[in-house]
Amino acid sequence: GAVVSQHPSWVICKSGTSVKIECRSLDFQATTMFWYRQFPKQSLMLMATSNEGSKATYEQGVEKDKFLINHASLTLSTLTVTSAHPEDSSFYICRGQGIADTQYFGPGTRLTVL
Amino acid sequence: AQKVTQAQTEISVVEKEDVTLDCVYETRDTTYYLFWYKQPPSGELVFLIRRNSFDEQNEISGRYSWNFQKSTSSFNFTITASQVVDSAVYFCALKESGGYNKLIFGAGTRLAVHP
Repeated sequence: GAVVSQHPSWVICKSGTSVKIECRSLDFQATTMFWYRQFPKQSLMLMATSNEGSKATYEQGVEKDKFLINHASLTLSTLTVTSAHPEDSSFYICRGQGIADTQYFGPGTRLTVL
Repeated sequence: AQKVTQAQTEISVVEKEDVTLDCVYETRDTTYYLFWYKQPPSGELVFLIRRNSFDEQNEISGRYSWNFQKSTSSFNFTITASQVVDSAVYFCALKESGGYNKLIFGAGTRLAVHP
């Protein structure tokens, strides 16, 4: 079946650095990519929606200049957390959606900012 | 606006007990989709079921069953003869048919099955 991969699966970085998370759809074309954030013991919160080749649409309260999303191709979307701080430590999950409403979640990336 | 409520924060049962996880949703759309996902400690979401708003048939898959009732806007999930491996966080989610196909999650129910 279709698979969405995320890289890295976990990352630890120093405060102030930027971190890039990749989300790849391996055997389907993800026309839309959704990025979620999940804090410990909480639910998944939608951060932004991006369509291939277009600018991402961010949910209320999500800083677009801090969480840069690029969806340059139908198989790759990236989320860059710029100038990361400890409060950005979270589990980041992407969801790819293709034609016929197919949708698959990535396995998630655990970010820890020291 | 769409909303999903999972009122049960945590449930603890002993193995072989049956357990029902509640899910109540709100939407103004007439066409929508409901989902259940399992999230084990690894964090990766495991898809369990998808149901569209026009299909109110209950579904059974092994030890899992789902009861969809539009009249009460509920989509409850029952695990029969629970096992320790069922321990996880379970999320109910709603997706409206239009717009950006956003998937909105409930708060989740943490299920602990003890031997």
